[in-house]
Amino acid sequence: SYVLTQPPSMSVAPGQTATINCDGDKLGSKNIHWYQQKPGQAPVLLVHDNSVRPSGIPERFSGSNSGTTATLTISRVEDGDEADYYCQVWYGRSDHVIVFGGGTKLTV
Amino acid sequence: QITLKESGPKVVKSTQTLSLTCTFSGFSLSSHGVGVGWIRQPPGKALEWLGLIYWNGEDLYNPSLKNRIIIAKDTSQDQVVLTLTDMDPVDTATYYCALILSDFVDNWGQGTLVTVSS
Repeated sequence: SYVLTQPPSMSVAPGQTATINCDGDKLGSKNIHWYQQKPGQAPVLLVHDNSVRPSGIPERFSGSNSGTTATLTISRVEDGDEADYYCQVWYGRSDHVIVFGGGTKLTV
Repeated sequence: QITLKESGPKVVKSTQTLSLTCTFSGFSLSSHGVGVGWIRQPPGKALEWLGLIYWNGEDLYNPSLKNRIIIAKDTSQDQVVLTLTDMDPVDTATYYCALILSDFVDNWGQGTLVTVSS
């Protein structure tokens, strides 16, 4: 099965930039998607297809994907960005179709 | 407005069968390309995809659960039902149903915590 690896945690000061990585074999050849989950809440789609923001998601959230690493970048971090962030790919119909990373807890 | 809501028992006993219903609105599971999936999250742990069913009836499951899980749809009722047999305390988790578009989760239900007692 396919494995997506994320750092378990990271810390950033308000106003700074947070970069959350997600590593996987030949990840750059797949579409990566990112979700934000605040405590006690369901996840919310942040970025899909590597870099597309759904309506309502601030421009401060951006994504990229190349080689074996995908990156979620949060600019001008705010206190309200403190959450868990998950990456996800569609792997294939014959195996784990939807694969999530282990999640990164962002502390502001 | 798209909404999904999970319903079912909060507690099940070991070896019992869990049945959860996802009732949705704002989209049709008859529309080409639309799927509804189930994802769970044990307390304090990461998300785990369980399975999904498409508008055309095709169903796909996490291989680790393949012998225990069935997902069925009732398009007329705008509902999808998850059945998970032989429950174990390790299956204790918040269970989410979700709208799948293309290859990502577009919308999530609020989730329902299911506790398995031994």
